[in-house]
Amino acid sequence: GAVVSQHPSWVICKSGTSVKIECRSLDFQATTMFWYRQFPKQSLMLMATSNEGSKATYEQGVEKDKFLINHASLTLSTLTVTSAHPEDSSFYICSARDRVGFQGHTQYFGPGTRLTVL
Amino acid sequence: GENVEQHPSTLSVQEGDSAVIKCTYSDSASNYFPWYKQELGKRPQLIIDIRSNVGEKKDQRIAVTLNKTAKHFSLHITETQPEDSAVYFCAASIGNSGYALNFGKGTSLLVTP
Repeated sequence: GAVVSQHPSWVICKSGTSVKIECRSLDFQATTMFWYRQFPKQSLMLMATSNEGSKATYEQGVEKDKFLINHASLTLSTLTVTSAHPEDSSFYICSARDRVGFQGHTQYFGPGTRLTVL
Repeated sequence: GENVEQHPSTLSVQEGDSAVIKCTYSDSASNYFPWYKQELGKRPQLIIDIRSNVGEKKDQRIAVTLNKTAKHFSLHITETQPEDSAVYFCAASIGNSGYALNFGKGTSLLVTP
């Protein structure tokens, strides 16, 4: 089956530092990857859509200069939280769209990254 | 944009009973409706999905129904088991608009033995 990995699984950093999170599709090519944020006991909130070889599309209210997204290949997208602050602490989950499965709709999720900013 | 409403927010059933979770969507252009199961601290797992040209889909104990006219879709779990306990999310997406998923707020399902 389609597998998406995410690294690191958790990270603790000091306020003001930057953190990079990687999302990889391991056994399929993902033209599009998505980044979500999830607060405890809440739903997934789409932050941005990442297309390979082009600039990411950010949802309203998401600062593109704070959450830098790079989709360098069909199997890797990265999210960098720049100058992190305690309010950025959250569970960040990526998903990858299998362009073959279910006529392009199927999304598979990574295991998530728990970010804690002190 | 698309708005997905999900009910109930919590659901408690006894083992062996059925569970039904309902969602409504606002954008008639939505054409793909997946359901995800998420256990605490883990990734959402796709459990079933349906496209807008189909009214019902079944996979063992799980089924999804779609009413395009009313813009609502439902998840049905029969013969529930304690391991079905988790948070379930419905979602909707539009294929020619980036495929981004708009999620409902989730239903916390508890199956008691």
